[in-house]
Amino acid sequence: EAGVTQFPSHSVIEKGQTVTLRCDPISGHDNLYWYRRVMGKEIKFLLHFVKESKQDESGMPNNRFLAERTGGTYSTLKVQPAELEDSGVYFCASSHSYDFYEQYFGPGTRLTVT
Amino acid sequence: RKEVEQDPGPFNVPEGATVAFNCTYSNSASQSFFWYRQDCRKEPKLLMSVYSSGNEDGRFTAQLNRASQYISLLIRDSKLSDSATYLCVVTHAGNNRKLIWGLGTSLAVNP
Repeated sequence: EAGVTQFPSHSVIEKGQTVTLRCDPISGHDNLYWYRRVMGKEIKFLLHFVKESKQDESGMPNNRFLAERTGGTYSTLKVQPAELEDSGVYFCASSHSYDFYEQYFGPGTRLTVT
Repeated sequence: RKEVEQDPGPFNVPEGATVAFNCTYSNSASQSFFWYRQDCRKEPKLLMSVYSSGNEDGRFTAQLNRASQYISLLIRDSKLSDSATYLCVVTHAGNNRKLIWGLGTSLAVNP
């Protein structure tokens, strides 16, 4: 079974630019989550999709962040315009509907905003 | 105050040692509890869930004390491959899919 994949693995952009991160969950997982770890801080929840619907987006920092999951398969997280404080590692995770406690994480996208 | 507190370490132990990590959580409504493991520059992976009755998986034992809002992880007979960061994670009754993370405790097992 293929794991959660994320693209790109690294991204370096300038302040004010736009970046789009992509996550492909494990096939058949209805639940998809985005998390972020800023250097020196704990991992923070951003949002949770169930299929194509946003179940909880309470962790989204501000309206510069837009997440989508069209068709309930892969998801994108767009940051526009990027700010210095957006730098960090963005993790995507997915889980089954029936065993949602175990979330399987992707390798993360390391975003650096300069 | 952080919602999940852990001693960041690092803990340096020799192979074969027993090491214990502690974690406290501030929200008494926390419902589910986990230990995740994260290797350097890798993604977190679920190590084990933590139950009130305590649970064991091989060399790893996890305990939960709801009254004290305290979670522990015990690793016996440490292996070099146990070197990693151990993350304490909780969820709330209101949203049991939103993981709330501690900063992690770094463990280095030395030969």
